[in-house]
Amino acid sequence: ETGVTQSPTHLIKTRGQQVTLRCSSQSGHNTVSWYQQALGQGPQFIFQYYREEENGRGNFPPRFSGLQFPNYSSELNVNALELDDSALYLCATNWRTRANTDTQYFGPGTRLTVL
Amino acid sequence: DAKTTQPNSMESNEEEPVHLPCNHSTISGTDYIHWYRQLPSQGPEYVIHGLTSNVNNRMASLAIAEDRKSSTLILHRATLRDAAVYYCILRPPNNDMRFGAGTRLTVKP
Repeated sequence: ETGVTQSPTHLIKTRGQQVTLRCSSQSGHNTVSWYQQALGQGPQFIFQYYREEENGRGNFPPRFSGLQFPNYSSELNVNALELDDSALYLCATNWRTRANTDTQYFGPGTRLTVL
Repeated sequence: DAKTTQPNSMESNEEEPVHLPCNHSTISGTDYIHWYRQLPSQGPEYVIHGLTSNVNNRMASLAIAEDRKSSTLILHRATLRDAAVYYCILRPPNNDMRFGAGTRLTVKP
């Protein structure tokens, strides 16, 4: 149990729609990262937020956007959904100290299906 | 970005040690080596990390080659609950975590 929760658990959307996924941490971690995991593959880094500002981004188009709120909860928004966006979306939180040693705590993920 | 290479899959017998290898020949001096694992239907969980010296914790040991171009995650006594995908990750100072495909560990009773 990592104390990281994500909602919803599952979601079905159609191509062209928009979706918002949510993440929160009981531990009050100040850094949140989002990952996309396609079936049978490792998680791919989307972006990271630290103190409400984007702090790094992977190779994802601008239609993937995010927010981090003052209470450190976070949202991932995806516009103009495509079939290839079907995946498990994971958020991970940590308390940022020395960046490349911080342990990230993952939530269980949101399974998004785009039809 | 520095890349890691792991075997796609490995098998082990229950209660025997397991050595999971990882090659990272292009590692830079400031990259930490992290291991995470992902049990079925769960998000990844932290296992261990290190920079140059071997590391031990309650879950596993991490052996790092002297030239840092490879490392090995050691599970001292595999249990059925250790069946998972194990990811070896190089972590640069900017904090991004770049996962590869990992090694799927099967533990046989």
